Formats: sequence, structure tokens, C-alpha cells
Amino acid sequence: DTEVTQTPKHLVMGMTNKKSLKCEQHMGHRAMYWYKQKAKKPPELMFVYSYEKLSINESVPSRFSPECPNSSLLNLHLHALQPEDSALYLCASSQELRLAGLYNEQFFGPGTRLTVL
Amino acid sequence: GQNIDQPTEMTATEGAIVQINCTYQTSGFNGLFWYQQHAGEAPTFLSYNVLDGLEEKGRFSSFLSRSKGYSYLLLKELQMKDSASYLCAPRNRDDKIIFGKGTRLHILP
Repeated sequence: DTEVTQTPKHLVMGMTNKKSLKCEQHMGHRAMYWYKQKAKKPPELMFVYSYEKLSINESVPSRFSPECPNSSLLNLHLHALQPEDSALYLCASSQELRLAGLYNEQFFGPGTRLTVL
Repeated sequence: GQNIDQPTEMTATEGAIVQINCTYQTSGFNGLFWYQQHAGEAPTFLSYNVLDGLEEKGRFSSFLSRSKGYSYLLLKELQMKDSASYLCAPRNRDDKIIFGKGTRLHILP
């Protein structure tokens, strides 16, 4: 199984709603990532978990709250978002966060397209 | 600072060869990835270079010169399905992958 799955595929929410994005992988990867991608822009790193611990937070606003309940799952909890947060949210995983000299490429999920009204 | 430069758009003809260049400056260097991304889809891994030289994988090849901070992706025998964005993505000393803005490649019949 070389797949990263994400649910839901699409999400529309109001600025007062609370919602969660979910990501799952069964490749035994120990590093998992959240990226945000706006149209015609590259993915921007938000968070990185390594061995279920938060390793990198790229100064993301607190209205985004990540959670890694176990080695296969990664959630992104959303609360009080703004319309400018509308984007494609991509989850990715890799074998390790730090694996010098080896591929360690990131496998991406299909993303959740989020619209904030 | 960290900076990645690649052309915004390129156009090529089906069956031809195209080279997409990338120059980069990162805080340390620990390999460079190329990803393909079709519109509305997730990026998919194409290639990885950590040493200088050419890596070939079927119709795709990637080249790296660490001293010049330069890489290119070479696509041969272009097919219509190769119409996509191509992201140059060096990895810095902290193992963070920094994505370039991408090159949108248009293939004409």
C-alpha cells in the first residue's frame, strides 16, 4: 500500500465552524506533513510530525491545530478560519524526517479543497 | 535566505524534448527533488539527485550541479499527459523540502 488518503475531498465551512481534516497512511512512515497550496502557487509547509511528535511548526496561526493520534493518522483541526484560508490542504508522509543521503521522498495525498465562506 | 528560480511557463510539441532549468539557494543542501503536479491534483515524485550528475528514469532525466546550485529536468518523447506543473524542490540542512513556484508545461499536438 503506497497510498496516502485524505478526507474529506471537499469542505465548505463558515468562519464560525469547527471542522477537521484527516490523513492516513499505512506505509510505516514516521514523518507526516501538512501543506497548504493556493492556486498556481507551490505547496507551503505548515507542520511536520516525526514519530508522532510535532517537529516543525512554520509559524502557522493557532486557528489551525494539528494532531497525530498514532503513527498512521494525522489530523488538522480548523476553527474560526478566514476566507483567505481557502486552499488545497495536502498531507504527505515520508519514511523519516531526517534520512541523510537517501531518497526519503514525500508521498502526497490527493488533498482536501477547503472553501471558507 | 532561500530562493528557487525556475521558468513560469514553457511550451513544447508532442514527441519533442524539453529541459526545465532550476537554480536554487538554500541554507545547506541535502538533495533535490523534482515533482510533477497536474492541475487540481497532488504532487507526485519524479526524481531525486544528491550527487552531481545525471539520473535517468525512462523518459525523464534529472541533472544536478551542486557547485552551481543548478538542476534541470529533461523530458523526452513528450506526450500530451506530460502537460503539468513541474516543481523543483531542494532539501535544506534541516531536511525541509522547499518547493519552487513550478514550471507550467504546455504540450501542443
